[in-house]
This record gives sequence, C-alpha cells and structure tokens, in this order.
Amino acid sequence: NAGVTQTPKFQVLKTGQSMTLQCAQDMNHNSMYWYRQDPGMGLRLIYYSASEGTTDKGEVPNGYNVSRLNKREFSLRLESAAPSQTSVYFCASSVGVRNEQFFGPGTRLTVL
Amino acid sequence: RKEVEQDPGPFNVPEGATVAFNCTYSNSASQSFFWYRQDCRKEPKLLMSVYSSGNEDGRFTAQLNRASQYISLLIRDSKLSDSATYLCVSWFEGTASKLTFGTGTRLQVTL
Repeated sequence: NAGVTQTPKFQVLKTGQSMTLQCAQDMNHNSMYWYRQDPGMGLRLIYYSASEGTTDKGEVPNGYNVSRLNKREFSLRLESAAPSQTSVYFCASSVGVRNEQFFGPGTRLTVL
Repeated sequence: RKEVEQDPGPFNVPEGATVAFNCTYSNSASQSFFWYRQDCRKEPKLLMSVYSSGNEDGRFTAQLNRASQYISLLIRDSKLSDSATYLCVSWFEGTASKLTFGTGTRLQVTL
C-alpha cells in the first residue's frame, strides 16, 4: 500500500516550457487535491476533484490545468511555466471532501 | 486577516517540557479542524482531528473553543522527535467547501 505517489520528485524548467505532474493513490479515495506550498504562505489549494469526473478551482488556479484520469490518478499541468510557479507541489487524497487528507511526498519545481 | 492564523515560532523547548500552540480561525461556520505535522522538506501528515469535546492521543491533546474561535495543541513530555512544523487546518462546507491551512508553528525540542 503505497498511499499517495507523485512524479517527478524534482524538476527544473525554463520559462515557457510545459510539464505535467502526476499523482496516484491506492487508497480508493474519492477526492483528490493539488496544493502548492511557498515560504510564509502555507499550503494553497490549486484545484481539487471531489469525485471521479469532477474538477473544481481552488484558491490559486491560474496557470494550471488538471485532469482526473480515473479514480486513482489526478494530474496537474503547467502549460507555460513562469518563475512565479517555482514551488513545492503536493498532491493529496481523502475519502470525501470533509475527511482528513493524505499527502504525497511532493514535487520540487524550479522555473528559471 | 488570514482565515487561519498561527504564531510561526519557533518555539524552542527543552526535552521533557510541555508546550502549547494556539491557532485562531476567522470563519465561525468552520465545521471540522485538524492538526497536521510537517517535517522539514517532507509532506504534511495528519496528527489528529479536533473534536468539539477535545481529544487526547498519548502525549498530544487538542482542544476546540468555538466561542473564541481558536484551536489548541498541547504536547506533554516533549521529545526530540517532536521537532517539526505543526499546521492548523479548518474545514468549511458551503458553496466553496474547502480545507484551509495555517502557515504553521515551528517547534524545536532541544537536549
């Protein structure tokens, strides 16, 4: 039981490049989330998926897109990376939106 | 005003000490609360949920005060391994249901 897994662990991009962050969970959770964490800002919700087939914007969705591929997988795409998107990205999942969330190990992204 | 506010610390305490953190929240309609622990460069992990009656898990006690809109976390007999950042989290169900994280309180337990 791996819990929540994320790939890649580290990534360096140049401004304007695109990439997709992958997330998968094996806990049969319905809800999945993408956060970014910046110093002094705490965790901020980018997008979430309350259940398979639905996605909704969080607090800071601009510059990102998501896909809930199936119940297990939830990907985050940066179409044209900007230095302001340098951050640590965490994926999380929960049984439902009101339940405690379980986090993946994070992706450290640097945009030059 | 931030929805969830925490003293960033750091709180430096000797091993064996008792330490308490408070966290205030601004949305009086928040329905659930949690404490997460985050080690340096690691993901947050659930420490405990906070129930209205308060709850205890070993050396950790969480309390909720709805009248004053704060949550507390008490750690007794601090261990070196308790050194981490503690995140206070509130959950609100409404048209924009969401979990809101505080920025965390850093605890450093020393010999």
